[in-house]
Amino acid sequence: LAKTTQPISMDSYEGQEVNITCSHNNIATNDYITWYQQFPSQGPRFIIQGYKTKVTNEVASLFIPADRKSSTLSLPRVSLSDTAVYYCLVGDSPGYSTLTFGKGTMLLVSP
Amino acid sequence: EAQVTQNPRYLITVTGKKLTVTCSQNMNHEYMSWYRQDPGLGLRQIYYSMNVEVTDKGDVPEGYKVSRKEKRNFPLILESPSPNQTSLYFCASSPLSAAAQFFGPGTRLTVL
Repeated sequence: LAKTTQPISMDSYEGQEVNITCSHNNIATNDYITWYQQFPSQGPRFIIQGYKTKVTNEVASLFIPADRKSSTLSLPRVSLSDTAVYYCLVGDSPGYSTLTFGKGTMLLVSP
Repeated sequence: EAQVTQNPRYLITVTGKKLTVTCSQNMNHEYMSWYRQDPGLGLRQIYYSMNVEVTDKGDVPEGYKVSRKEKRNFPLILESPSPNQTSLYFCASSPLSAAAQFFGPGTRLTVL
């Protein structure tokens, strides 16, 4: 399973764009990249998933360069409610088997 | 409403007293999984199941059992709980065709 590396924490202010980068140097050909968000004492919530180039949904964008050894989650104009831990996961689909979440990135958004 | 439910949400018990945490999903997902979350260690997978009667160990299976007799249910069993199993537990499910998982609300377990 590809190991991922993310910053432990990031700080931002309301209204700013936040980019969280995840490194996954040994990503396999069949692997997808998935990001989750977790608030304290709640289960992780799926944000976005991608395989290559760029994926965008109503809450975030995911940028994946051609070599796929890293990915960047972009949150446009964050608000206080975006304060959470963000996890990057790499694994193949259909269905992950053993999933390793890692420690994630704690994003703190201030007024 | 599509959801994953867990019961109980909170449980305080004593060492050695067998307990079961139930997990149920109403989305007809083939894949189900259990995680535990501890401060500083992140989420760690305990067991997972690709379908009915198919279960496999995750990263930290010791001290836990699971069963998958029906597609919708995936109970976590602690035959003889110990204090080091005090943790926040999450159940999750997903269709095999998509890797994104839906998580339950969590069960906070304290073993004295």
